[in-house]
Amino acid sequence: DQQVKQNSPSLSVQEGRISILNCDYTNSMFDYFLWYKKYPAEGPTFLISISSIKDKNEDGRFTVFLNKSAKHLSLHIVPSQPGDSAVYFCAARNFNKFYFGSGTKLNVKP
Amino acid sequence: SAVISQKPSRDICQRGTSLTIQCQVDSQVTMMFWYRQQPGQSLTLIATANQGSEATYESGFVIDKFPISRPNLTFSTLTVSNMSPEDSSIYLCSSTQGTEAFFGQGTRLTVV
Repeated sequence: DQQVKQNSPSLSVQEGRISILNCDYTNSMFDYFLWYKKYPAEGPTFLISISSIKDKNEDGRFTVFLNKSAKHLSLHIVPSQPGDSAVYFCAARNFNKFYFGSGTKLNVKP
Repeated sequence: SAVISQKPSRDICQRGTSLTIQCQVDSQVTMMFWYRQQPGQSLTLIATANQGSEATYESGFVIDKFPISRPNLTFSTLTVSNMSPEDSSIYLCSSTQGTEAFFGQGTRLTVV
């Protein structure tokens, strides 16, 4: 039973445009949601998070939106840069356990 | 955040053998976690390791197959025992700091 889902395995975006990565979850007990970025041969690195009591968190080019009623979160990257090309995982926390989606591979074309 | 050094980064192993993966954290942490990421799949939690107690395994994972050690607050090992090609995967150790999880670099295991 996968509690966190990323339904788009890949996304291709032109440099300078907006990248929108989506994530859905099923467990209403999650208290934090996070996005991680992963390059090949490296472990995931933390990008941005949002508490379940908020609906938006912004950090530079990265904004995460949370829609609790829809159990949906999204990551917006504006403007997208070629260096953003990586696999992005969304994650949700319940107590001390983290549950991950299957990832979306973002390709930002120059 | 704290840094986890994980090794080996990759290995190719014969079926039936075992491989031990090590993770060293640069600070003391209470909980360490071991994940598996199969191709195209999400990170799946194998077990949670606390110092001084037996690891807690998730459904579908057993101690005989994935024994874990946690001798102190900065170190843990995961052994993949009696390997088969189905064990080919990326294995990641992790811990938490505040609301975030942070990860080692991962071990890419190929069983032939």
